Amino acid sequence: AQSVTQLGSHVSVSEGALVLLRCNYSSSVPPYLFWYVQYPNQGLQLLLKYTSAATLVKGINGFEAEFKKSETSFHLTKPSAHMSDAAEYFCAVSAPPVGSYIPTFGRGTSLIVHP
Amino acid sequence: DAGVTQSPTHLIKTRGQQVTLRCSPKSGHDTVSWYQQALGQGPQFIFQYYEEEERQRGNFPDRFSGHQFPNYSSELNVNALLLGDSALYLCASSFMEGGDPSTDTQYFGPGTRLTVL
Repeated sequence: AQSVTQLGSHVSVSEGALVLLRCNYSSSVPPYLFWYVQYPNQGLQLLLKYTSAATLVKGINGFEAEFKKSETSFHLTKPSAHMSDAAEYFCAVSAPPVGSYIPTFGRGTSLIVHP
Repeated sequence: DAGVTQSPTHLIKTRGQQVTLRCSPKSGHDTVSWYQQALGQGPQFIFQYYEEEERQRGNFPDRFSGHQFPNYSSELNVNALLLGDSALYLCASSFMEGGDPSTDTQYFGPGTRLTVL
């Protein structure tokens, strides 16, 4: 079985400050990991994914995430927050058995950006 | 290149009614998955269709059913609607290139907001 825990349902930062959204996963096999962003009244947009290549993954809009196996973590960061980053962020894990690559999502973290 | 499209955008039904939601996958994708996202929650997997058959199913009752057409588009049907079925229903499409699972990434549509009164 696989699961994801997102620490903090809400994260508040000032514009220009570092963004850190935390995600811990549980998986009995090497996982694939994803971060998605959801703007109000929209679907999910893929930010980045980890598929066992480089542990530091760069995504769109200046976001990146680092896979740390020893900590079972996949935290999302951005050096400088922008007002347009305000949205809901979801971490997801996907792990086979063979033929099963259905992502399991966390409950989401709402990023609030203050001017 | 059109992404995943869903219709309708919004829908209001009453308890006991039936509803059909539609999804067209991203060009080149052959697999469609459906998710239910309740308010304040992450998406929950309902089922996945590939080659016109249900390949996997999440923990949802059989009131939830689906179909995939030869052009890879898909429908989600929900019978005997309950108040608790009110949610955003998301469709995601994907394609596994050359059997390489690392390429199997789901791309989501904008969703259909279903309200059951």
